[in-house]
Amino acid sequence: DTEVTQTPKHLVMGMTNKKSLKCEQHMGHRAMYWYKQKAKKPPELMFVYSYEKLSINESVPSRFSPECPNSSLLNLHLHALQPEDSALYLCASSQGPDIHYGYTFGSGTRLTVV
Amino acid sequence: AQKVTQAQTEISVVEKEDVTLDCVYETRDTTYYLFWYKQPPSGELVFLIRRNSFDEQNEISGRYSWNFQKSTSSFNFTITASQVVDSAVYFCALSDGELSFGAGTTVTVRA
Repeated sequence: DTEVTQTPKHLVMGMTNKKSLKCEQHMGHRAMYWYKQKAKKPPELMFVYSYEKLSINESVPSRFSPECPNSSLLNLHLHALQPEDSALYLCASSQGPDIHYGYTFGSGTRLTVV
Repeated sequence: AQKVTQAQTEISVVEKEDVTLDCVYETRDTTYYLFWYKQPPSGELVFLIRRNSFDEQNEISGRYSWNFQKSTSSFNFTITASQVVDSAVYFCALSDGELSFGAGTTVTVRA
C-alpha cells in the first residue's frame, strides 16, 4: 500500500457544525502533515505530527484541532468554521520528519463552509 | 521571504509544443531537496521528481526533463511535445526542514 487515503472527498458543513477529516496511511511513515489549499494558491502547512506528537503548529486557529490516534491515522477536527475556511485540505506523510524523505500526498477533502 | 519563486503564473501552448517551467529557490542550507508536483483539476498532488542539493545531474523521464543549476538556484522543468493531459498546475517545492511550495504555474495545453 503506497497511498495516503483521505475521507471524505467532499464535505459541506454549516458554521455551527462539528465534523472531522480523516487521513490514513499504511506505509509505516512516522511523520504526517495537514495542508490547506485555497483555490489558485499553493498548499500551506497547518500541522506536523512526528512520531505521533504534534511538532509544528503554524499558528492555526483553534477551530481546527488535529489528532493523531496512532502512527497510521491523522484526524482534523473542525468546529465553528467560517466560510473563509472553505478550501482543499490535503494530508501528507513521509518516512520521518527529516528532509531526506519524500512526501506522499492524499487526494484531499474539498471542504465548503456555508 | 519567499523561498520558492515560480515567476510564470500561466502558460498556454498548442499540443506538441515544448513547455519550460521556471523555478528559483532561496535557502541558506547546504543540504536541501527540491521537488516538482503536478496538480490536475481533480486536486491530488502528484509527485514528479525529487532532487537533492548534491546531485546536479539533469534528469529525463519520458517527455519530462529537469535542469538543476545550483549556481543560479534554479530547478527548471521541461515538458517535451506537450499533450492535453499535461494541463494542470505545476508546483516547485523546497524542503530544507519544512516543505515550501512556489505559487504554481498553470499549464494549459490546447488540442
